[in-house]
This record gives sequence, structure tokens and C-alpha cells, in this order.
Amino acid sequence: EPEVTQTPSHQVTQMGQEVILRCVPISNHLYFYWYRQILGQKVEFLVSFYNNEISEKSEIFDDQFSVERPDGSNFTLKIRSTKLEDSAMYFCASIVAHDNEQFFGPGTRLTVL
Amino acid sequence: SQKIEQNSEALNIQEGKTATLTCNYTNYSPAYLQWYRQDPGRGPVFLLLIRENEKEKRKERLKVTFDTTLKQSLFHITASQPADSATYLCALDGAGNNRKLIWGLGTSLAVNP
Repeated sequence: EPEVTQTPSHQVTQMGQEVILRCVPISNHLYFYWYRQILGQKVEFLVSFYNNEISEKSEIFDDQFSVERPDGSNFTLKIRSTKLEDSAMYFCASIVAHDNEQFFGPGTRLTVL
Repeated sequence: SQKIEQNSEALNIQEGKTATLTCNYTNYSPAYLQWYRQDPGRGPVFLLLIRENEKEKRKERLKVTFDTTLKQSLFHITASQPADSATYLCALDGAGNNRKLIWGLGTSLAVNP
């Protein structure tokens, strides 16, 4: 069964460093998302991506964040200068079209020290 | 602002009984409502989607109801099993191109053998 994959599973970084979280969505899916979940809190929407551009972003997704789909298979989330409060699980999700459930990856646990 | 509330306390039930989880929302008119399961340290896994014009949806031992007047969804697991123990998340899905999800905090369910 096709699945969304994410790498790395765990990333530890120093405050102020750049990190890139990688996702490979399901191959025929068209809409891509990043969510995050701080420990013990709700899953929060960060950004949606369709047709090679951002379609919507949340207040969390400020200038420090960017997304890219560089080669038609990978979907990346970059945080330019990490802060302590960026520590969370980051989930990538994709859907094939409207009217479909979202498929989530296993997540990347980001720890900022 | 949009708000989603789920049973805040963990639900403990005996194997074989029916578990009923509640999701209430305010200041929102979702086109869809979705239920996901989340195990510790893992990404959400889709269970059921119900549309605003549907009252009830079933899938095997799962049943979801959606009352747009009360702004409430109920999620039932019949003949519960210890393997059903997890956190269950309610997510609201707006119409439009973005299909971002807005999440509740989740309800932890423990099914005791």
C-alpha cells in the first residue's frame, strides 16, 4: 500500500541553525501539507501546497519557513533559523484530490537545543 | 475564533463495550468532518469522513454522526478491543482548494481486557 515517508525520523539541532525536513508524498497525490504538533498539544496546520505553489499558510508559517517541491517527488520544509519553540513533531500529508482523506507520514521529531 | 472541543478526560472502557467520543465545534461551518486515530509518536491515521449533508457514516465497527445544528459529531466504536486503545482526533475540513484540517486535542481511549 502506498504511503507517505518522512526523513529524518528525529533531528536534533542547535538554536539558530537551519533544518530541512523531507517528505515523499504518495506519487499520484496533488495536494501537500505540513502540520506540526508540539508535545501534548493539538496538531496545527502550517502550509498547503498545490500546483507548485503555496495555496495557504498559517500565522505560524512566517518568513523563517519555506517549502519546496524540487523534483516532483520530494516535498521539503525548511526552517532557516530554528528557535527553541520550533521543537515539535512535523507531519507531512498529501491527498489525491478534493473529497479525499489526508494521508500522513510518520513524522519528524525536531528538537532544538 | 474557530474552536474544537473533544472529551478532555481519558475514556476507559471494558473490552466488548461501545466507546463514544464527542467532538463539538464553534464559529465554523465545515464542509466535512474527519476522525483520525493517533498512536504515541506516530502520525494521524484516517478513519472516517462525513460530509455536512450526511447524518451518519459507518465503517465496520466504527460509526460517526454529524449534527450541523448542534455543531457536534459523535464517534462510536462498537465491540471495542484492547487494540483500539489510542488517541482519537476530530478534524474539521473547510470547503475550497486548500482542504487544510483544523484539529481537536483528541480523546485518549483505553480499552481494558
